[in-house]
Amino acid sequence: GENVEQHPSTLSVQEGDSAVIKCTYSDSASNYFPWYKQELGKRPQLIIDIRSNVGEKKDQRIAVTLNKTAKHFSLHITETQPEDSAVYFCAARTSGTYKYIFGTGTRLKVLA
Amino acid sequence: ETGVTQTPRHLVMGMTNKKSLKCEQHLGHNAMYWYKQSAKKPLELMFVYSLEERVENNSVPSRFSPECPNSSHLFLHLHTLQPEDSALYLCASSQDPGRPTEAFFGQGTRLTVV
Repeated sequence: GENVEQHPSTLSVQEGDSAVIKCTYSDSASNYFPWYKQELGKRPQLIIDIRSNVGEKKDQRIAVTLNKTAKHFSLHITETQPEDSAVYFCAARTSGTYKYIFGTGTRLKVLA
Repeated sequence: ETGVTQTPRHLVMGMTNKKSLKCEQHLGHNAMYWYKQSAKKPLELMFVYSLEERVENNSVPSRFSPECPNSSHLFLHLHTLQPEDSALYLCASSQDPGRPTEAFFGQGTRLTVV
């Protein structure tokens, strides 16, 4: 079945450094890739997304890149801040279906 | 605070109890979801409803029974659960699959089975 692999499972960076989280998907028909941030005790919230007709998207300190040929996409956070500490989930969705397939999550710790 | 509201936020139940989780969305979406979130596991899709019709059932045990009386409300009826069913149960909603947009999540119900 479809699956999404996410690495690393934990990531610690110094404040001000960059963080990169990578995901690989199996369904070549996937065309929508959201990234969610989940703080402790809170709901997952969308932070950025990308569609398959775009290779890169940026929103201030956050960017996502997509390589359709290799079937992987990555989240880049620059100038990290302590409030970026959370669990980040990637997901993939195929057009015409309702399924969002999620990765296993990455726990990011930004050390002050 | 959110367009997707779940109640209760916390629930402790015995293995012989029957309880229900409730989800309500005010976003005008036509698809609703139940996900199970356990420690160190990906979000597991349980059920999907589109316009009150179940369109996805991911091999979920029958002790979990969903109900979708209308496009704004979704329930998860629980009975004779096992301790391993303890998890965070998240409800989400989205627009129709023809439009690749995000799923909006509720705050979740933290379920503990004792």
